[in-house]
Amino acid sequence: DQQVKQNSPSLSVQEGRISILNCDYTNSMFDYFLWYKKYPAEGPTFLISISSIKDKNEDGRFTVFLNKSAKHLSLHIVPSQPGDSAVYFCAASARGGSQGNLIFGKGTKLSVKP
Amino acid sequence: DAGITQSPRHKVTETGTPVTLRCHQTENHRYMYWYRQDPGHGLRLIHYSYGVKDTDKGEVSDGYSVSRSKTEDFLLTLESATSSQTSVYFCAIWRGGFDEQFFGPGTRLTVL
Repeated sequence: DQQVKQNSPSLSVQEGRISILNCDYTNSMFDYFLWYKKYPAEGPTFLISISSIKDKNEDGRFTVFLNKSAKHLSLHIVPSQPGDSAVYFCAASARGGSQGNLIFGKGTKLSVKP
Repeated sequence: DAGITQSPRHKVTETGTPVTLRCHQTENHRYMYWYRQDPGHGLRLIHYSYGVKDTDKGEVSDGYSVSRSKTEDFLLTLESATSSQTSVYFCAIWRGGFDEQFFGPGTRLTVL
């Protein structure tokens, strides 16, 4: 049973517009969430994270929003650039449990068209 | 860079042969992880280690074993490789100061 779900396998966006990637989770013990970006033939790279005590975290063009009541988080990229084209993984951790163990979603492939 | 190397980067082997993948880190981090990535499955945890000789199973540990005799090295062994273990394998470390897992470049394993 999937604890972290990314229901959109792919997303296509025009350069300069906003990209919104969504993630849902089922385990109420999750209290730390991360987004990773992955290019082909490379390892995933950390993008941004959010703790459950917050509902928003920003880092440059990237903002993550957390809605705990809905068990939903989203990653906003504004403005989108062609170099953002990659697979994005949402991950969650119950840090009070196994230290650092992450549960990943299946990923969303973002294509940003020039 | 945090400094994770994985070896080999590519390997083709035959069903039934043992295979060992190596992960080496240069920053003395306590926690290390092995994942596999498959189309339609994202990244799934195979085993992890929380110190020298301290390891535990992850979500998809069947058919895999690990060892950690030194802080810097975490080995993943496929005792008898099967075609279902064809995958891309990633090693990761937990960087507590940054609150993130940092991933290596991956090993692409093909079992014929």
